Amino acid sequence: NAGVTQTPKFRILKIGQSMTLQCTQDMNHNYMYWYRQDPGMGLKLIYYSVGAGITDKGEVPNGYNVSRSTTEDFPLRLELAAPSQTSVYFCASSPERYNEQFFGPGTRLTVL
Amino acid sequence: KNQVEQSPQSLIILEGKNCTLQCNYTVSPFSNLRWYKQDTGRGPVSLTIMTFSENTKSNGRYTATLDADTKQSSLHITASQLSDSASYICVVSRVETSGSRLTFGEGTQLTVNP
Repeated sequence: NAGVTQTPKFRILKIGQSMTLQCTQDMNHNYMYWYRQDPGMGLKLIYYSVGAGITDKGEVPNGYNVSRSTTEDFPLRLELAAPSQTSVYFCASSPERYNEQFFGPGTRLTVL
Repeated sequence: KNQVEQSPQSLIILEGKNCTLQCNYTVSPFSNLRWYKQDTGRGPVSLTIMTFSENTKSNGRYTATLDADTKQSSLHITASQLSDSASYICVVSRVETSGSRLTFGEGTQLTVNP
């Protein structure tokens, strides 16, 4: 199993551009999550999903959108990139609500 | 406010030495507490997960303790190795009606020198 995979690994955007961060898991997990990690800070939850077709906001959802059309995929969309969205983004999945979460390798995004 | 505070912020030790990292939390209602290891440039990897009724849990050279009364946890690393150099993150899970709401600490950056 590949676990949780994320693409791209690195990306530089200009202010106002849009992009989609991809996340795929092959463990058949129901729950999936998107976090951002700013330097020296704890991870913050952006959005999460409890199953295909169901998504909900986390702590810091502004400026982002998600969709969950399949169990495997949970893409994160940035519509109008801003410098404040410069961060490392992690996708994670877990089989049930309170189980261990498995993290992807992260996407480092810089908005200039 | 639901918070997780870790100390120290950073720690440097010599290879072969032991160390203890601390985690205090105010998250309520409590579901479980996890310790993750995050190598530079990588995603966090789970070391241990403890529920309310568990006081100690070991994973090789890593031993986590939990005192749910005082809302404190520690992670003890025995006979440190160079590969232990990483950020160690304490994560507390809160009981919610849906989803799994985790509160992450800022991590302790451990450096093990030869």
